[in-house]
Amino acid sequence: GDSVTQMEGPVTLSEEAFLTINCTYTATGYPSLFWYVQYPGEGLQLLLKATKADDKGSNKGFEATYRKETTSFHLEKGSVQVSDSAVYFCALRSGATNKLIFGTGTLLAVQP
Amino acid sequence: NAGVTQTPKFQVLKTGQSMTLQCAQDMNHEYMSWYRQDPGMGLRLIHYSVGAGITDQGEVPNGYNVSRSTTEDFPLRLLSAAPSQTSVYFCASSYTGTGAHEQYFGPGTRLTVT
Repeated sequence: GDSVTQMEGPVTLSEEAFLTINCTYTATGYPSLFWYVQYPGEGLQLLLKATKADDKGSNKGFEATYRKETTSFHLEKGSVQVSDSAVYFCALRSGATNKLIFGTGTLLAVQP
Repeated sequence: NAGVTQTPKFQVLKTGQSMTLQCAQDMNHEYMSWYRQDPGMGLRLIHYSVGAGITDQGEVPNGYNVSRSTTEDFPLRLLSAAPSQTSVYFCASSYTGTGAHEQYFGPGTRLTVT
């Protein structure tokens, strides 16, 4: 079945460091790919998305490119801030359903 | 526009007790779903609905019931709580149809079963 694998955390960075969180997927067909973010004590919020190969999603300085050849959707940010500390989830939606399949989440802690 | 609301925020149950987690949305979304979040396991789909009167099982449906009598509400029922149901529960909603529609999540309910 469809699945999402993302790098385990926690990831601890200093402010202004470069961030990469790896995400790979297994799916039949051509899924839509998402990154959601969960701030402490809150629900999930959509960070960015991509719907087809080579699409780049971007928001709040974060970017991710849909790579069909490597079945990947890695999240990157050039300069993280303390306010970026959160749990980041990679997810896919395949076929015509609205069902999302999530990775296990990666905790990011940014230190001043 | 309140988005997706969930009640209660916290709940403690004893084994065998029943309760209903409430979820409501005011965005006229057809699709609604329930997830549970457990450490190291991400979010797993419990049940979902594509419209009033239509529900279906997700990945981990055992021990949970749902109904969808209106577009706005999608309650999740635990008929006989077990310690394995200790978790954080999230409700989400979105439009259906083609396109990568964003799912909007509620703030969650933290449930402890002793």
